[in-house]
Amino acid sequence: AQSVTQLGSHVSVSEGALVLLRCNYSSSVPPYLFWYVQYPNQGLQLLLKYTSAATLVKGINGFEAEFKKSETSFHLTKPSAHMSDAAEYFCAVSDARGAQKLVFGQGTRLTINP
Amino acid sequence: ETGVTQTPRHLVMGMTNKKSLKCEQHLGHNAMYWYKQSAKKPLELMFVYNFKEQTENNSVPSRFSPECPNSSHLFLHLHTLQPEDSALYLCASSQEIGVQYFGPGTRLLVL
Repeated sequence: AQSVTQLGSHVSVSEGALVLLRCNYSSSVPPYLFWYVQYPNQGLQLLLKYTSAATLVKGINGFEAEFKKSETSFHLTKPSAHMSDAAEYFCAVSDARGAQKLVFGQGTRLTINP
Repeated sequence: ETGVTQTPRHLVMGMTNKKSLKCEQHLGHNAMYWYKQSAKKPLELMFVYNFKEQTENNSVPSRFSPECPNSSHLFLHLHTLQPEDSALYLCASSQEIGVQYFGPGTRLLVL
């Protein structure tokens, strides 16, 4: 069975500081990995995806994530946090063989301090 | 309208009521999903429909009854709910593995 674990339910950084949100996955088959973001009172929105091409994936709003098979990790980073980045972030894994299900992590709430 | 829309956005119901949530996608996708999002719990997949056929029922209680009359519309019929069913119910659609487009959700409160 596939699963993801997000380390830290709440991360707080200062505006302009590095953002690092951690995600580790478990999968018996080559995974597809995703990061989604949820702003208050909205649904989830895709930030970026890894589908077995380049291991460093760039997404929207300056975010990127690196797939590290040896560490079973897919951490999300952004060099400089902006106030508008405050949201909940979800890591997710999908069965690369074609199933359309996503398994989500429990989410990390990102707070940006002025 | 574009994307995925959900109505109503907020719903308060008693435990003996019957209500329905509606989801509509304008993206031409073949797969549609219902999720439940509760505070301090991971996002829970409830149902998956692919080309109008239900392909996943994640052990959801029978008081939740989905309906997918066509690839663009998805309903969640609710009856005799419990207070613990209070949550944000999210609908999503997809055409590509893992890439899902979510609606804004229906915030449900069961009294």
